[in-house]
Parts: sequence; C-alpha cells; structure tokens
Amino acid sequence: GAGVSQSPSNKVTEKGKDVELRCDPISGHTALYWYRQRLGQGLEFLIYFQGNSAPDKSGLPSDRFSAERTGESVSTLTIQRTQQEDSAVYLCASAPGLAGGEQFFGPGTRLTVL
Amino acid sequence: RKEVEQDPGPFNVPEGATVAFNCTYSNSASQSFFWYRQDCRKEPKLLMSVYSSGNEDGRFTAQLNRASQYISLLIRDSKLSDSATYLCVVSRENTDKLIFGTGTRLQVFP
Repeated sequence: GAGVSQSPSNKVTEKGKDVELRCDPISGHTALYWYRQRLGQGLEFLIYFQGNSAPDKSGLPSDRFSAERTGESVSTLTIQRTQQEDSAVYLCASAPGLAGGEQFFGPGTRLTVL
Repeated sequence: RKEVEQDPGPFNVPEGATVAFNCTYSNSASQSFFWYRQDCRKEPKLLMSVYSSGNEDGRFTAQLNRASQYISLLIRDSKLSDSATYLCVVSRENTDKLIFGTGTRLQVFP
C-alpha cells in the first residue's frame, strides 16, 4: 500500500519568497505531524493535527509558518518570506491516531533558501 | 532541559561488537516508548517499541526503567548495516504525540 508522500522532494527558493510544501498521509490516518530537521540536527516538532481537534501549533517557530489540513487528508505547510535559516528537510508523518501508535514518515522535502 | 536526552555520539565500533545506548526522559507521565532508526538522508523508521518488561527483537534488546526514567537499546553482534542514527522517542499519556530525542549516531567499521 501507499505510504506517506511529500512534494516537492526538493525546493530551492530565494530569500523572501513564499513556499508551500505538501503532504499526503496514509489513508485512514487521523494524526498528521510536521517536523523540521536541519543538517546534522534532530527532529524539531512544528505542528500536529488530530482529526477534527484544533491543531497543536506549539512548535511553529514564527508567524511566517502556517499549516492547514483538509479533513483527514492532505496537509500543506506554508512558509512566508523565507529566510536562509529556514533551509532544512521538512518531514511529514502520519499515524492511525491510537495512543502510543507508530508514526510513518514521508521522504521529506529538502528546502534550500538562497 | 530537553524532554528527551541522548548522547549524540558518534559511537564507532567494529563489526561483531556489542554496543548500548541510553536515553533519559523528563516527563514522568510518558506512557509509550520507542526506538526509531534514521539512515543518512532518509526518513526515520520504527525500529522497536519498548515495553516495561523489556523486549528483544533478534540482535536488539530494549529496556525501560520507569523509576529512573531511562530507556536503553543494546545491539549485539553489530553489522555494517547497523550504521545509522538511533532516535529515542517517548509519547505523553493518552496522546499519540511523540517527542524525539536528537539521536545517537552509530558507525560500525569492518
């Protein structure tokens, strides 16, 4: 079956431009997460969606970052007025929504801000 | 203090060696525990869950000490293919939100 997919796989943009990253979770997974991973660093939690509950946005680093999810399907992470420090791999993961359940990661989007 | 702390390593070990990683967590309400593996430039994948009684999966053994709030992973008979970063992961009570450690890097050499 299909896993988590993300697009684009690579994105190069200029400082100050807006970017939109897409995540398609595994069908039926109610939980969806976005993480950021800078080169050589650990995973940094950004935002968490669970069903129809209000998203947990506690990890978003600034108001330039926002994310939406349509029902229990596709999610988009938008970064406005990109900065060089936004360069990282952005990983999406989905989970069945069971407490303590496994998260399945997508391959990530590698964002480079010039 | 980070919620999940790990020694970043790297641990450089020869093939066939036994190596152990530890991880500590600060939230005593954490209920579920995992080890994930992340290969270079790849996404993390679940290696194994960690149960209170300890559990084994082939060459891998995971232990949980709730009183001291630490988790361990033991790898016996290391293979070259074990080279990766090992992420300690905990979840909070009654949620599926996972907190990831920054990982311990393992390099197995011939």
